[in-house]
Amino acid sequence: GQNIDQPTEMTATEGAIVQINCTYQTSGFNGLFWYQQHAGEAPTFLSYNVLDGLEEKGRFSSFLSRSKGYSYLLLKELQMKDSASYLCAVTTDSWGKFQFGAGTQVVVTP
Amino acid sequence: ETGVTQTPRHLVMGMTNKKSLKCEQHLGHNAMYWYKQSAKKPLELMFVYNFKEQTENNSVPSRFSPECPNSSHLFLHLHTLQPEDSALYLCASSPVSSGGGADTQYFGPGTRLTVL
Repeated sequence: GQNIDQPTEMTATEGAIVQINCTYQTSGFNGLFWYQQHAGEAPTFLSYNVLDGLEEKGRFSSFLSRSKGYSYLLLKELQMKDSASYLCAVTTDSWGKFQFGAGTQVVVTP
Repeated sequence: ETGVTQTPRHLVMGMTNKKSLKCEQHLGHNAMYWYKQSAKKPLELMFVYNFKEQTENNSVPSRFSPECPNSSHLFLHLHTLQPEDSALYLCASSPVSSGGGADTQYFGPGTRLTVL
């Protein structure tokens, strides 16, 4: 079967760094996405990886290892507004078929 | 504001009612999607439309009926739903889905549906 796993919840303090891991087992791979979703709001796009390595975007970075079926999202210099659910999604084709993990709820404390 | 709007934002309906959810995208995209999001569960892809043609029906019960009259509008018609259908229904769009690399999907804020 197809499976995407990520931790349910993580807690970190303001200013710290948090790493959210995502492992996947899918039949095929055409890219991995990370989305941020605040409660009651739309998921918003954070990053996209299709090749191995690290993609950096300001305070957020995303890493991919296709051979290991593994990605992580790194959030640096945490701010209170970063408290949200972070969704890992894998696409296995070019036709928009995304498979999502259940999301990781990140709680940032003062 | 992602350029994808959904109405209504909240809906409460009985099991015998018929209602429709509406999604509109203002991004010039050619692919649109319906997802179901239940608490503590992954987003479940329901339907995919590319250039107004349905290209994916992810084993969704027939009490959910999608309609895509043009590339900017997507509807989800609901009838004789069950309480377990209560969830957040999200619409998304993406620029092109015609082969090649994956396209980023842009989501609307969702409709929170409660079935009594």
